[in-house]
Amino acid sequence: GQSLEQPSEVTAVEGAIVQINCTYQTSGFYGLSWYQQHDGGAPTFLSYNALDGLEETGRFSSFLSRSDSYGYLLLQELQMKDSASYFCAVNRDKIIFGKGTRLHILP
Amino acid sequence: GAVVSQHPSWVICKSGTSVKIECRSLDFQATTMFWYRQFPKQSLMLMATSNEGSKATYEQGVEKDKFLINHASLTLSTLTVTSAHPEDSSFYICSAALDGETYEQYFGPGTRLTVT
Repeated sequence: GQSLEQPSEVTAVEGAIVQINCTYQTSGFYGLSWYQQHDGGAPTFLSYNALDGLEETGRFSSFLSRSDSYGYLLLQELQMKDSASYFCAVNRDKIIFGKGTRLHILP
Repeated sequence: GAVVSQHPSWVICKSGTSVKIECRSLDFQATTMFWYRQFPKQSLMLMATSNEGSKATYEQGVEKDKFLINHASLTLSTLTVTSAHPEDSSFYICSAALDGETYEQYFGPGTRLTVT
């Protein structure tokens, strides 16, 4: 089977940096994706790591260590609009989502 | 680009009736689409993988006779919830991947189903 673990909630201050961790157990692993979902909305793709290392896309970065079965999403210069749920997802022939981390941002 | 639409956005139906939800890729062709179910403040649960021109692949625990999936063309997949019951009330979301790259999926806006 497969499992993904990520914190259920994280709180940070506007303008700060926050890291959301994800550990996984799975077979047939191709890579780790990250998605953002605002309340009532659809998930949107943020980032993907197939290889070890850091991928940067604007204010968002994602990291993967395949040997440690671990990854994280780093959000910099937090804005109030970043308040949302963030899901890590294991990519195989399909995507299996983690339970999501709800990010609360304080002014 | 890479827009996925869903229809309807919300539907209310009576217990025992059937409801059809459409998922369309508007500006690309999708040989594979995915159907998810999401309860409030919970994760997306993959229900099935819809393959154009062939039978859908259902995840363990999902009743294929209750959740009928038809992927009749490269831009349209439908999910029919048959003999709906209140416990089927949920948020149903479809997604499609560009060029078969499943890691980057584009999601429809979702359909809120309420069964009374």
